[in-house]
Formats: sequence, C-alpha cells, structure tokens
Amino acid sequence: GENVEQHPSTLSVQEGDSAVIKCTYSDSASNYFPWYKQELGKRPQLIIDIRSNVGEKKDQRIAVTLNKTAKHFSLHITETQPEDSAVYFCAAYGNQFYFGTGTSLTVIP
Amino acid sequence: DSGVTQTPKHLITATGQRVTLRCSPRSGDLSVYWYQQSLDQGLQFLIQYYNGEERAKGNILERFSAQQFPDLHSELNLSSLELGDSALYFCASSVSPRAELFFGEGSRLTVL
Repeated sequence: GENVEQHPSTLSVQEGDSAVIKCTYSDSASNYFPWYKQELGKRPQLIIDIRSNVGEKKDQRIAVTLNKTAKHFSLHITETQPEDSAVYFCAAYGNQFYFGTGTSLTVIP
Repeated sequence: DSGVTQTPKHLITATGQRVTLRCSPRSGDLSVYWYQQSLDQGLQFLIQYYNGEERAKGNILERFSAQQFPDLHSELNLSSLELGDSALYFCASSVSPRAELFFGEGSRLTVL
C-alpha cells in the first residue's frame, strides 16, 4: 500500500516568514494530493489540493507543488500569520486516502 | 459546518464496555471514512464505505466493526474497550472515493 512521509514534525517561524512542509509518497498510482489544516480541538479542513496532471497550484498565501517523478509534494505558506498556527496533514490518494503524520506549525508574533 | 454530523461528541465509558459511534454524511455523499486520532497522533485510517459496501480497510482492530446503512449513515462499533482505545474518532464523507473529504467534528471517546 501507499506510504506517506511528512517532514518536519514541528516547525516554528516568525510572523511574516515563509513555511514549507514536505511530503513523499511511494505509490506511483496516487494521483490526488490534498492538504488539511487542523486547529487545536477541531476537525481537519481542506486548505488546498492538487491533482497529478498539474505541477503547482496557488491560493492567495498558500501554494502546493508536486513532483511526480520524485514522488514528493510540498506546501508553501508565505507571509505567515499567527492564525496559521495549526497541525497540517498531507495526504495521497491511490485507492484510499493515506495521511502523513502531521506538522505542528507555530507562528511566533 | 462541514455538513457531516457525528454523535455523540463526547463519551466516557469503562474498560470492557461496548460503544457505538454514529455518522451522517453530507447530503449526496456516498463515501464514508472512519479515522482514529490518538493524542498528538496523526489520522489512522480505519475503514471506508461506498454506497453501502465496504471499499477499503485499514488498521482496524477485530474488536471494532462498522457498517453503512441504506440511508448512507454509518456506525462504528467498538467493543471490549481498552484504555488505549481512548481517542478522537473522526468520520469523513465525500461525494466519490477520490473527491475532497469533509470531516465531522469527531467523537471523543474516553475509556477509564
């Protein structure tokens, strides 16, 4: 089955700096890669996703890149704000959703 | 509000007991997923249903079982509960297997 690895597990950045979270996957058949944000005590919510027929997607301060050859995809958050502090999960879909282990992002005011 | 409803929100029970968690997916969603999230852990996939049939199974213990009913709601049954079963159990739904997942608020189970 699919194996999704996510790094780093924790990340602290100063407000206004950029944050990058990286994930790798193993199954070349995976073709849908969503990112979820989970605030403390709340449900995960989709923030951005990418399908394997595109290499990059942007939504305001958030962007995701995908390298199918290398089997890795990354989340980029620019101009970070305190409200970006949360746990972020990457996922890959082959025949089901496989989630990474999460990255706890702290934005320091 | 994601449109996915989970009940109960909180549940406290004793070891050895059995509980049932319920999930109503978003209107029109045919796929239902169950995930377990222990303290400071990721989302562990338990099981997936699509239109009433089991589609995929993850690391679900034999003490756990689930089903999806004709009206598409789903129930997760946890029996012979152990302390280690204490966790947040999420249900998620999607319109089809490869579409965006919408998570419910979760059911927090505490086993004493």
